[in-house]
Amino acid sequence: QVQLQESGPGLVKVSETLSLTCSVSGDSITNSRHFWTWVRQSPGKGLEWIGNTQFRGTTYTSPSLERRVSISMDTSRDEFSLDLTSVTSADTGLYFCGSSDALDGGIDIWGQGTLVSVSS
Amino acid sequence: QSVLTQPPSVSAAPGQRVTISCSGSDSNIGGHYVSWYQHFPGAAPKLLIYEDVKRPSDISDRFSASKSGTSATLDITGLQTGDEALYYCGTWDYSPITHVFGPGTEVTVL
Repeated sequence: QVQLQESGPGLVKVSETLSLTCSVSGDSITNSRHFWTWVRQSPGKGLEWIGNTQFRGTTYTSPSLERRVSISMDTSRDEFSLDLTSVTSADTGLYFCGSSDALDGGIDIWGQGTLVSVSS
Repeated sequence: QSVLTQPPSVSAAPGQRVTISCSGSDSNIGGHYVSWYQHFPGAAPKLLIYEDVKRPSDISDRFSASKSGTSATLDITGLQTGDEALYYCGTWDYSPITHVFGPGTEVTVL
């Protein structure tokens, strides 16, 4: 059973880059069955899909964030990462990593989430 | 602003049934599987339904779903106080290629 754990700084300054990592256990990140996903929830708002990636597959990102988002994988560490550049207060929120076994299957495994605050 | 539409809230008494709709278009619901999630604020979302109608093994059969054309529906029967949460539909969209969540529906048990 795959387990996920987010990590990263809880506080980021305006205009800087938010960098989060999701550690994968229970399976290899190179198992191409899995689609590795980032989702966030900003205060007072609903769930927002950020993007996903697959080992040796296509990386998809939300059109509203694609100019600022990068999703990468570190196969040596079984981790995947999110970089979000030029952050503003609107990027404050709870960030989750997740995984699914099909591109249009449901996200069935979730990390516990990590809270990121953007401050000036 | 989501391309999917859900009612902001639904409510019913304990033991009753609620239905949550998720409306979209040919480019999203009409052409892709729909998933449904239960979300308690501050916690990780939980997958309730995938591939339109399938339930993970650990999900109660009080939760069921259907899809017709460009709309999907989640039903919760035998409503319990523990069901008070936000419920989101999710699917992919062709144009542009991206995953989308609905705006969420708050379920209240009266």
